[in-house]
Amino acid sequence: ETGVTQTPRHLVMGMTNKKSLKCEQHLGHNAMYWYKQSAKKPLELMFVYSLEERVENNSVPSRFSPECPNSSHLFLHLHTLQPEDSALYLCASSQEPQGRGGYTFGSGTRLTVV
Amino acid sequence: QKEVEQNSGPLSVPEGAIASLNCTYSDRGSQSFFWYRQYSGKSPELIMSIYSNGDKEDGRFTAQLNKASQYVSLLIRDSQPSDSATYLCAVKRPGNTGNQFYFGTGTSLTVIP
Repeated sequence: ETGVTQTPRHLVMGMTNKKSLKCEQHLGHNAMYWYKQSAKKPLELMFVYSLEERVENNSVPSRFSPECPNSSHLFLHLHTLQPEDSALYLCASSQEPQGRGGYTFGSGTRLTVV
Repeated sequence: QKEVEQNSGPLSVPEGAIASLNCTYSDRGSQSFFWYRQYSGKSPELIMSIYSNGDKEDGRFTAQLNKASQYVSLLIRDSQPSDSATYLCAVKRPGNTGNQFYFGTGTSLTVIP
């Protein structure tokens, strides 16, 4: 365990479904992130939350909706997804801005949209 | 120009050899540099971080940083089949909303028994 827990590990959903991904960190970090990882592409930053405030949204389609109720929890709400949204979704946390350290990643959710 | 560039590989080395992985970055304001290892189907795992010019050693791993050349490398000595994975280079620098990470596409390493 890395200290960042993601659930579920695998998710298959239809294009008309609504589902949510959950991330919880036990490291006392103050920043949390959602990344998308598709085959043969670099990690794509989706959202950044710092001190529970969204500080970055990298032109992500509105069918992805993040929520950060507190510094330990992060959600990604999904609705009317497309097959091209199938990917590994990674949550990460870090201590900012003082921290020089890297991210700690969760184990990821493998999402398949059918 | 990409923020972080890596050769995608695949890089193949025999067991016991030294594997050399390279990375370049574009922004001279970059302050922190990281190497992550990612096994197939798993999430990235931080294995090395380096902040100042020179070498940093941790077990069989050595990270090298040359800020003048904007170059970071990872050497794996006595490579083992369990080192077979994709290695991601990441760079951290100040951005509009605080420190931001940038990742390369990763280099796939295969260690042949």
